This record gives sequence, structure tokens and C-alpha cells, in this order.
Amino acid sequence: QKEVEQNSGPLSVPEGAIASLNCTYSDRGSQSFFWYRQYSGKSPELIMSIYSNGDKEDGRFTAQLNKASQYVSLLIRDSQPSDSATYLCAVKKGGGADGLTFGKGTHLIIQP
Amino acid sequence: ETGVTQSPTHLIKTRGQQVTLRCSSQSGHNTVSWYQQALGQGPQFIFQYYREEENGRGNFPPRFSGLQFPNYSSELNVNALELDDSALYLCASSFRERSFEQFFGPGTRLTVL
Repeated sequence: QKEVEQNSGPLSVPEGAIASLNCTYSDRGSQSFFWYRQYSGKSPELIMSIYSNGDKEDGRFTAQLNKASQYVSLLIRDSQPSDSATYLCAVKKGGGADGLTFGKGTHLIIQP
Repeated sequence: ETGVTQSPTHLIKTRGQQVTLRCSSQSGHNTVSWYQQALGQGPQFIFQYYREEENGRGNFPPRFSGLQFPNYSSELNVNALELDDSALYLCASSFRERSFEQFFGPGTRLTVL
């Protein structure tokens, strides 16, 4: 079982709609959860972090965490063509020296 | 506030050679992590440096090594390059007390022929 799993897509969403991206993780000891956006040929950009169960909203983005189900999601409201990118889910097991464990990413396409 | 910078942008090497990649961390950050991202994959954690010492490592062989300097900048060295080492190498900096939030540099694209 992969440590962090994402549907690779592509996920195609009409402009103005809500894009829903999902991620599951295997290590119940994971404490910190992140969503990064990566445009083609560029480096990952941190867009959301979440540490406790529930929802966290930042502008058009909402991250949702359910530790019991080992599930993290990202909602993008009012999707724009500029949101077209690969979205990487990352998990950190503990504090200090642990690196981030990434999924393969979901390729999101916003159709004008 | 300056972001994370990396050099060089692109690099071409041949199998068996050695390479050194460089990273300057974001202003105020004292921890540097290195990741390898193969095409179509998510980044994979190589190691992390704090106070000039390696204090965390992923599943990479010893031919991947690094340094951190007093100004928190860092180097990644890879010896005996293999074709599979071709990838985007990413440096991420963070503040130790908030080491969960890591900010990436633009990366170095390494091609091994």
C-alpha cells in the first residue's frame, strides 16, 4: 500500500465550478497535512496546511481532514483556468526531522 | 524577504560523474530539506539539515550526501551518477520551530546521460 495515494487524473472541471481533490494516507501517526500546487516545469507551491480534524478555509480553497478515515481533501471554489495544475498532497509523520511524504499528484484541468 | 534559490537551473552529466547542487534558504529559515522528483512522480525526501548536521534521511543510498553552512545555505552532492538519478532536485527551507511548513526553491533539473 502506498503511503499517500491520490487519483492521478486528469480531473476536468468547468470554469466556475467546485473542484474536489482527494488524498488518503496510510500512517495513522501522521500529524501534519499539506496541499501543494505545481505548474508544469515549476516547483511545488504551498497553498494549504491543516493539522486538526475538520475544515480550514483560505479564500477559494478549503482543506478538509478526517484522521479517523485517514482522508484529506481540497476544495477549490469558483475554479479558474489559472487553477489548472498538478495538486500534490503531502503528509508529515511527526515533528522535527521527518520529511514530507508526497502523493503522485492529481492533474486538474479547468475548462473555460 | 528573499525566497529559496537554487543553482544551477539545469545540469547535464554522464553516468559515473559527481555533481554538486546548491541552495540558499529563505530569509529567517534555519532548516533545509532536499527532495528528488522524477517525471510524473511526487517529490521524494532525500534528507534534512539543521545546525549543519543531517538529522533526517529518506530511502536514498550514501552516495547522496549534503552539507549545511553557518548561513543555512546547503549543498547536495551525488557521487557515481546513475541514469535513474535524472530528475528535478528540489530544496525546501523551513523554520525549525515550524518545520512542517516547507517552501520550495525553483529546483535544479539534472540529466544523466
